[in-house]
Amino acid sequence: DTGVSQDPRHKITKRGQNVTFRCDPISEHNRLYWYRQTLGQGPEFLTYFQNEAQLEKSRLLSDRFSAERPKGSFSTLEIQRTEQGDSAMYLCASSSPRRTSGGITDTQYFGPGTRLTVL
Amino acid sequence: DAKTTQPNSMESNEEEPVHLPCNHSTISGTDYIHWYRQLPSQGPEYVIHGLTSNVNNRMASLAIAEDRKSSTLILHRATLRDAAVYYCILNWAGQNFVFGPGTRLSVLP
Repeated sequence: DTGVSQDPRHKITKRGQNVTFRCDPISEHNRLYWYRQTLGQGPEFLTYFQNEAQLEKSRLLSDRFSAERPKGSFSTLEIQRTEQGDSAMYLCASSSPRRTSGGITDTQYFGPGTRLTVL
Repeated sequence: DAKTTQPNSMESNEEEPVHLPCNHSTISGTDYIHWYRQLPSQGPEYVIHGLTSNVNNRMASLAIAEDRKSSTLILHRATLRDAAVYYCILNWAGQNFVFGPGTRLSVLP
């Protein structure tokens, strides 16, 4: 397996346009996360899926944002009516939590990200 | 808010050991301690994680204090390729990661 992949790697769009990003997780992973990262900051959680179910959404995920994971495989993140404040790196991660004697451990593996620039 | 505190930046000389500290005084019994690093224009890369005992892998070692309120990531011989932002993250039951600003490590030749 080659790891988590994201497409496109870079996207430049004009304010008001819609954009869609794709994430292909590691094949056996049942969890998929989306994060957003602005310059100089650590990644911020947006949402995550367990298989095809979207289980949690951050307050950062406004109604202009929507994410899907049909059939529990790849995922898409769509931003409608983009704003300049949406310019950021969008990161996808996948994982497969496992139970250990100490609890549940979950190592997330990140993709290279999609850098969005809204003009 | 991130539940960990790390120095904003650290410097090391090439081929010397580096000790990156992390404080997590509010850690709960089920929190795992994860370390990731991020090179410029790349996604975060998993480094190591642990619960109570010290851990070693091919990339680094993780030393966890006995009370678990702090931990240290140890790079045994820093190389120029180790220059990155290092994040210490607490994770419970596989919930989403909460990243802080991390420690920016500079490695001097």
